Amino acid sequence: GAGVSQTPSNKVTEKGKYVELRCDPISGHTALYWYRQSLGQGPEFLIYFQGTGAADDSGLPNDRFFAVRPEGSVSTLKIQRTERGDSAVYLCASSLDSSGANVLTFGAGSRLTVL
Amino acid sequence: AQRVTQPEKLLSVFKGAPVELKCNYSYSGSPELFWYVQYSRQRLQLLLRHISRESIKGFTADLNKGETSFHLKKPFAQEEDSAMYYCALSMDSNYQLIWGAGTKLIIKP
Repeated sequence: GAGVSQTPSNKVTEKGKYVELRCDPISGHTALYWYRQSLGQGPEFLIYFQGTGAADDSGLPNDRFFAVRPEGSVSTLKIQRTERGDSAVYLCASSLDSSGANVLTFGAGSRLTVL
Repeated sequence: AQRVTQPEKLLSVFKGAPVELKCNYSYSGSPELFWYVQYSRQRLQLLLRHISRESIKGFTADLNKGETSFHLKKPFAQEEDSAMYYCALSMDSNYQLIWGAGTKLIIKP
């Protein structure tokens, strides 16, 4: 596609529920990143994919968070047993590859609110 | 630990005045520094990176390794420069970016 697409743009859920956030990167971009941005803060790294595999998931805060990218394109971030502290904007970005340029193209984000 | 600090949460200047958004980092290796910008209701996007040594929309930024700074400057601010600005650090050309908390720039008419 023309840009990085994220759905849903807004998600309101109740504490304890399961949530999936989807990211469709730019066609041909092999590297995909998930970041989380809390109010008043800069983005915080969660996980990075190179192709289908999670090359680095060290930023995932705990085992309630999981992400997949089964065919090397679309990625889904999954959050189990959501907590109020998970409320944030979840940003997806892609780049042509993971080489040093780090020029990321961001999606518009998915705003998650956990009540 | 590696860190990026943007000391000003909010910076307000008049149109035509010079602008400097401060960014300091802590990292002992070879840093790669970036400025990203987010205009109102738009996505986060790259403004410039130090390795390119370019001027974008009249903005420049010089990496000062001695002072561990990468301040963003523009000699004459324009109203369309109003936005959130984020400084980000990549360590040794690693893919992972470490971000500052951002500075909201408001250009008054």
